[in-house]
Amino acid sequence: EAGVTQFPSHSVIEKGQTVTLRCDPISGHDNLYWYRRVMGKEIKFLLHFVKESKQDESGMPNNRFLAERTGGTYSTLKVQPAELEDSGVYFCASTKGGNYGYTFGSGTRLTVV
Amino acid sequence: LAKTTQPISMDSYEGQEVNITCSHNNIATNDYITWYQQFPSQGPRFIIQGYKTKVTNEVASLFIPADRKSSTLSLPRVSLSDTAVYYCLVESAGYSTLTFGKGTMLLVSP
Repeated sequence: EAGVTQFPSHSVIEKGQTVTLRCDPISGHDNLYWYRRVMGKEIKFLLHFVKESKQDESGMPNNRFLAERTGGTYSTLKVQPAELEDSGVYFCASTKGGNYGYTFGSGTRLTVV
Repeated sequence: LAKTTQPISMDSYEGQEVNITCSHNNIATNDYITWYQQFPSQGPRFIIQGYKTKVTNEVASLFIPADRKSSTLSLPRVSLSDTAVYYCLVESAGYSTLTFGKGTMLLVSP
């Protein structure tokens, strides 16, 4: 079974630019989550999709972040415009149902300079 | 959700048994305990989950006393490849978001 795949693995952009991160969950997993760890902090929840619907987006830091999951398959997380404090590692995870045994991707390391 | 407290770091040698204890004094009746492992440049990986007493799988054992205010992750005969950060999480049934703490950095030396 293929795992959760994230693209790109690393992105370096200038402040003010736009970046789009992509996550391909495990096939058949309806639940898709985005988390991030900014430098020196714990891993924090951003949002949760059930299929194509946003179930919980309480962790999204501000309106510069936009997540989509059209068709209920892969998801994108766009940061526009990026700020220095957005630097960190963005993780995607998926589950078939409930929260038993998340499968995480390897993350996208975002560096805003 | 109950706050968790665990050691910042631990050192061990290959072949030893490692026990990492996590405190969760405010755990609720419907909460259960989950441990994740994270290697550098990878996402967290589910290791084990339990509600009470003892759970064992091919990777680890999880001991939870009757009061459930703490839990201990036991890794038998660690190897160098067990060097990682280990997170203890308290999860509520029906609430699917994970809350991570700082984790315990385990360093296994030859």
